Amino acid sequence: AQTVTQSQPEMSVQEAETVTLSCTYDTSENNYYLFWYKQPPSRQMILVIRQEAYKQQNATENRFSVNFQKAAKSFSLKISDSQLGDTAMYFCAFMKHASGTYKYIFGTGTRLKVLA
Amino acid sequence: GAGVSQSPSNKVTEKGKDVELRCDPISGHTALYWYRQSLGQGLEFLIYFQGNSAPDKSGLPSDRFSAERTGGSVSTLTIQRTQQEDSAVYLCASSPRTVNYGYTFGSGTRLTVV
Repeated sequence: AQTVTQSQPEMSVQEAETVTLSCTYDTSENNYYLFWYKQPPSRQMILVIRQEAYKQQNATENRFSVNFQKAAKSFSLKISDSQLGDTAMYFCAFMKHASGTYKYIFGTGTRLKVLA
Repeated sequence: GAGVSQSPSNKVTEKGKDVELRCDPISGHTALYWYRQSLGQGLEFLIYFQGNSAPDKSGLPSDRFSAERTGGSVSTLTIQRTQQEDSAVYLCASSPRTVNYGYTFGSGTRLTVV
């Protein structure tokens, strides 16, 4: 069975600084997808970035980028130039490719606070 | 609609009562999911609907939980004889058939059982 681990329950960062959130996962699959979701106080989960396991190039979306290490089963999220609006819970999620049910396995989340 | 709509936003109910939670997915999205988010925990898969296929109910925690999706659109999650451990945020999400680009989530229903 797949598992996703986020070992940092809480983190804080000064505005405009860079922060990295860690995520590790365990799977025997070769094809899968990894995601980072942001959950602000509004509760709605917002997709931040996704990575396809067969791609070696790390995904980037503006200030957000990932460090995907497939052999180490690591998928960390780097937020550059942190903004107050980045304050939220961040969840790492694993999705198996071509499964009958495309369900996520989520980590327990990291609460990020950006300080002014 | 423009997004996934869930109602009610918050629900307080007495232990032993039945509750219904509603999800209105994005028009045209064939896949619909329910997840449960308990305090301090990640999201737990409950049930998945895809088009006219039989739903995947493998995540439902007990037979007190059931869900249906009518006409391939609106879904209702029903919890019978609620217990205090059912208190959580229930999130609904929808996606097109090709889901590897991620889902669109609603804002959830916070259920409190007193």
